Amino acid sequence: AQSVTQLGSHVSVSEGALVLLRCNYSSSVPPYLFWYVQYPNQGLQLLLKYTSAATLVKGINGFEAEFKKSETSFHLTKPSAHMSDAAEYFCAVTWEGAAGNKLTFGGGTRVLVKP
Amino acid sequence: DSGVTQTPKHLITATGQRVTLRCSPRSGDLSVYWYQQSLDQGLQFLIHYYNGEERAKGNILERFSAQQFPDLHSELNLSSLELGDSALYFCASSQATGEDTQYFGPGTRLTVL
Repeated sequence: AQSVTQLGSHVSVSEGALVLLRCNYSSSVPPYLFWYVQYPNQGLQLLLKYTSAATLVKGINGFEAEFKKSETSFHLTKPSAHMSDAAEYFCAVTWEGAAGNKLTFGGGTRVLVKP
Repeated sequence: DSGVTQTPKHLITATGQRVTLRCSPRSGDLSVYWYQQSLDQGLQFLIHYYNGEERAKGNILERFSAQQFPDLHSELNLSSLELGDSALYFCASSQATGEDTQYFGPGTRLTVL
């Protein structure tokens, strides 16, 4: 079965520092991978997605992620954290033919940005 | 704004009651998905409808049911509510295929007292 693991349920970074959120997936077929962000009391907003084109994917708000098949990873990075990046981030996987095209989510990583 | 609307935003009810959550997908999207977000279970897929037809069920309880109407809006019905049903319920929509982005609504926060 396909699954997603996010390492670290909480990450604390200083403003201006690198943000690195880790996501590893398990999939027996080529995956489609997504990063979503959830701000307090809001829904999920798509940051970026990988669908077998370029392995380095650029998203909104300066985020990017790199698909590494050999490591089964899809880590999310941002070179310089901003206070507005404080939120919870979710990695998700689906695949062609997935039952109901469902997204399987990781447990989420809450990011705290220190001034 | 994702273009997906959900009503109501908040719902407080008692155990044993029945509630209906409503979702309107983005214009042009034929697929509607329902997810539940709770502290202990995280984000879990409940059910998927495509153009009025049920396509797949996930971890959806028998007390829960859903439907998608001809105008493509969807309703999630939760009955015989228990305390453990308290959660955020999200609707998402997409065009159709697996790689298509699912756009999420703002959610309905259900509190069962």
